[in-house]
Amino acid sequence: AQTVTQSQPEMSVQEAETVTLSCTYDTSESDYYLFWYKQPPSRQMILVIRQEAYKQQNATENRFSVNFQKAAKSFSLKISDSQLGDAAMYFCAYSPKGNQGGKLIFGQGTELSVKP
Amino acid sequence: AAGVIQSPRHLIKEKRETATLKCYPIPRHDTVYWYQQGPGQDPQFLISFYEKMQSDKGSIPDRFSAQQFSDYHSELNMSSLELGDSALYFCASTPRLEQYFGPGTRLTVT
Repeated sequence: AQTVTQSQPEMSVQEAETVTLSCTYDTSESDYYLFWYKQPPSRQMILVIRQEAYKQQNATENRFSVNFQKAAKSFSLKISDSQLGDAAMYFCAYSPKGNQGGKLIFGQGTELSVKP
Repeated sequence: AAGVIQSPRHLIKEKRETATLKCYPIPRHDTVYWYQQGPGQDPQFLISFYEKMQSDKGSIPDRFSAQQFSDYHSELNMSSLELGDSALYFCASTPRLEQYFGPGTRLTVT
């Protein structure tokens, strides 16, 4: 069974600085998808970034980028120029590849606080 | 842009009662997922539908059932409610890859 592990329950960053959130996963599949979701106090789940396992190039979305290490089964999220609005719970998620997409398997989450 | 709609947003029920949660996916999204997020926990997959047929099943209690209708909206029916069913229930829809989440229904069982 696939599992996702986020070993940092809480992280803190100074506004305008950079922070990296860690995520590891376990799967026997060779093709799959990885995601980072953000859950602010409103509890809305917001997609931050996605990575397709067969693509070697790391995904980037504005201030958010990932470091995808397939062999190590590692998928970290880097947030540059952190802003107060980045404060939220961040979930790493794995999804198997399938014709109709696949269920998301989430990690335990990392609570990120941003200090002004 | 249209988003996933869930109703009701809040629901309070007593033990042993029944509840029905509704989900209206983004137009042209043919796949719906249901997740349960307990307090302080990560979301757990319950069940999914593709083109009105159940496509996958997770840790959904036998007391729960769900279906997707011809207009692609989905309903999660929960019977014999227990205190442990208190949680945030998310619906997500997708055309194929990325899942877009609704705002969730907060169910409180007293």
